[in-house]
Amino acid sequence: QVHLVQSGAEVKKPGSSVRVSCKVSGGTFSSNGITWVRQAPGQGLEWMGVIIPILDSTNFAQKLQGRVTLTADESTSTVHMELRSLRSEDTAVYYCARVSVGTWRFDPWGQGTLVTVSS
Amino acid sequence: DIQMSQSPSSLSASVGDRVTITCRASQSIATFLNWYQQKPGKAPKFLIYDASTLQSGVPSRFSGSGSGTDFTLTISSLQPEDFATYYCQQSYSVPLTFGGGTKVDIK
Repeated sequence: QVHLVQSGAEVKKPGSSVRVSCKVSGGTFSSNGITWVRQAPGQGLEWMGVIIPILDSTNFAQKLQGRVTLTADESTSTVHMELRSLRSEDTAVYYCARVSVGTWRFDPWGQGTLVTVSS
Repeated sequence: DIQMSQSPSSLSASVGDRVTITCRASQSIATFLNWYQQKPGKAPKFLIYDASTLQSGVPSRFSGSGSGTDFTLTISSLQPEDFATYYCQQSYSVPLTFGGGTKVDIK
């Protein structure tokens, strides 16, 4: 049974960076992808990007290109998401989810991490 | 990018009602369409893939249909635990995109 556990809530100042972690247990870490989805308060789901370790490949939503980085640490089965130059509009719950290569199905999901950007 | 839209954005229904949610893609996505259920304060849950295939463990009262640009999610007899927000997501091409969601609440 695959299980994803994310790091805890963060409060950040505008202009700073945040790093959220997603640890995967069960399954084969590098043969699947990890995708990130965020949800602003009261809003819908917004896809951010995906990393596929076995292909050493990443892909990002255009609006976040240049501000977001995904890295995979196979030794700890953890994916890190870093978002830079934070602005108030980045306040959201950030979710990671496993994605099967080639199918783009998001299952299962992490519990979510609230990132608050406030001066 | 492929735009996804859902209708209605919200609906009120009673336990036992048949509920239908529509999802539309801005271009043909064949049957590369997934559905998720999200309850308040929780992560989304994967329900249906390839437009009509139920994920393991999903009750049979849920069904999906459609191809091309028009898709539906149907709950045949709404149960108390089904009150939630439902999202469609196209898995045809990157960037992957979601519909705006449909909130199903109690009448």
